[in-house]
Amino acid sequence: DIQMTQSPSSLSVSVGGRVTITCRPSQSINNFLNWFQQKPGKAPKLLIYSSSTLQSGVPSRFSGTGSGTVFTLTISSVQPEDFATYYCQQSYSKPVTFGGGTKVEIK
Amino acid sequence: QVQLVQSGAEVKKPGASLNISCQASGYTFISYYIHWVRQAPGQGLEWMGIINPSGGRTTYTQKLQGRVTMSTDISTDTAKLELSSLTSEDTGVYYCARSTFSMTLLPDHWGQGTPVIVSS
Repeated sequence: DIQMTQSPSSLSVSVGGRVTITCRPSQSINNFLNWFQQKPGKAPKLLIYSSSTLQSGVPSRFSGTGSGTVFTLTISSVQPEDFATYYCQQSYSKPVTFGGGTKVEIK
Repeated sequence: QVQLVQSGAEVKKPGASLNISCQASGYTFISYYIHWVRQAPGQGLEWMGIINPSGGRTTYTQKLQGRVTMSTDISTDTAKLELSSLTSEDTGVYYCARSTFSMTLLPDHWGQGTPVIVSS
């Protein structure tokens, strides 16, 4: 199974600040890396797929980069509605695996 | 619009079986895979497996092999999850999600989740 290591596990940021989250799979997954946002009591929501493609309707302040074994999710100017937990997920091979999550909190 | 509507919350005793349904609408059911993903309280996401509604082929995570059964009813556009021999470690929220045939392992739309408590 491909292990997904996500860092940090939590962070605090002010509104308007910049957030960068890193995801490292245990082996190369080309660009088969996706990012989800989850708010308390809600289902995960797809933000970015194939490393850098924004899902329809997702604001452009979200961006993703990377390939192989290092990926990043960046929120360029955090808005109040962005406070949530973010998960990376590899879609390279079964079983599908997720990172441990990064909780983004208000400073 | 695409909707996956799951059945309601469940409370089960250890050793019992769990049955959850996922009703799809707004798209052609047999043209997309269905995934099941669960989340223990305060924990991350755990993928349980995938089913192709067209033909019923399944892949389950090794951890749940022998206890999990995924099925679909194409006459009602419904996916079903059965999990047997429940323990307290099966407590959590269970989600169904769909993916396209071209991006098989990318769940792009999710159900609202079904909370499950396993307790004596």
